[in-house]
Amino acid sequence: EAGVVQSPRYKIIEKKQPVAFWCNPISGHNTLYWYLQNLGQGPELLIRYENEEAVDDSQLPKDRFSAERLKGVDSTLKIQPAELGDSAVYLCASSLGGAGSYNEQFFGPGTRLTVL
Amino acid sequence: KQEVTQIPAALSVPEGENLVLNCSFTDSAIYNLQWFRQDPGKGLTSLLLIQSSQREQTSGRLNASLDKSSGRSTLYIAASQPGDSATYLCAVRLGTGNQFYFGTGTSLTVIP
Repeated sequence: EAGVVQSPRYKIIEKKQPVAFWCNPISGHNTLYWYLQNLGQGPELLIRYENEEAVDDSQLPKDRFSAERLKGVDSTLKIQPAELGDSAVYLCASSLGGAGSYNEQFFGPGTRLTVL
Repeated sequence: KQEVTQIPAALSVPEGENLVLNCSFTDSAIYNLQWFRQDPGKGLTSLLLIQSSQREQTSGRLNASLDKSSGRSTLYIAASQPGDSATYLCAVRLGTGNQFYFGTGTSLTVIP
């Protein structure tokens, strides 16, 4: 069974440029998470989807970040415009979801963003 | 908000030694707790998940315990090997919703 797929694996852009990350979760997983991980830190949640609905986006900087999960399967996270402080690893994870379910999280390899 | 702390931040041990990694959390109303391993430049690999009703889970040389009342979990690694060198993270899921709170991790180095 394929795991969580993310692309690209690495991205280098100039500040003020836009950038987009793509994630395809494990088949059948209703819950999808985007996390940001700075060097030496644990992941911090940016947004969580239950199917196509964003149910927790309180930590998403909405002035420059946006996300979508059309049809409740794969998802795109966008930054426009990117700032120097956005340099980090962006991780996508998925879980089965639903109340009372096992809900083990599975992570993709991440996208390492460098903003110059 | 749930605060998750992992101590120590870094640990270096000789090969073959048994070791314990610690994770503490402030809100005991958790649904489950998950331990992950992260290799440099890679994503997170799930090691063990403990439901709030469980006291421990075992997988091979790994054993994770959970004490909800004291807000603590430990990951025990037996007979450590150089291949165990990685950063180990714990994540706590609260009883409501599907949000997970991560600790900052323990960086483990096993010296051959």
